[in-house]
Amino acid sequence: EDQVTQSPEALRLQEGESSSLNCSYTVSGLRGLFWYRQDPGKGPEFLFTLYSAGEEKEKERLKATLTKKESFLHITAPKPEDSATYLCAVLNSGNTPLVFGKGTRLSVIA
Amino acid sequence: DVKVTQSSRYLVKRTGEKVFLECVQDMDHENMFWYRQDPGLGLRLIYFSYDVKMKEKGDIPEGYSVSREKKERFSLILESASTNQTSMYLCASSLSLQETQYFGPGTRLLVL
Repeated sequence: EDQVTQSPEALRLQEGESSSLNCSYTVSGLRGLFWYRQDPGKGPEFLFTLYSAGEEKEKERLKATLTKKESFLHITAPKPEDSATYLCAVLNSGNTPLVFGKGTRLSVIA
Repeated sequence: DVKVTQSSRYLVKRTGEKVFLECVQDMDHENMFWYRQDPGLGLRLIYFSYDVKMKEKGDIPEGYSVSREKKERFSLILESASTNQTSMYLCASSLSLQETQYFGPGTRLLVL
């Protein structure tokens, strides 16, 4: 069974304090790993898809990386508006939908 | 631009009522999904559909049914609402199962 574990569950940072969120996975043949951002009371918003180990993608202060066992979402010099829950999901080689992790709740304090 | 809409942002219902949640997408996507999201439990898949009139059970289908009569519309039905169905319900759509899912804004349902 595919599994996705995100850590930490919650993270509190000072504005400008860079850090990383982790998404570790076990999946039968990874087809893709997805990162989403979710603001309170809203639906998840797509950020990135990574397809193979070594791949990196960037968007503003966010950079996602992928290895064979995990993905990291690096946040450089975060701002309060980066506060959100970040969700990770994996797609396996079969014909089944995404499997989501439980998310990391990020708070950035000014 | 990608657009998934849900019929209500907030809904309050009584135990035993039949509840309809509707989702519409304008991207001509084949696949549509219904999730519920609860604190500490994350997103859990209720049902998904890969074509008109086709449906598949997700991880927690008990107490729910779905309907997809048109490609753009996917309805979630609570036949007899119960308090343990109080939750945030999220609809999503994707071009195929292998593609990115795009989510609607969510419906927060309270069953009293």
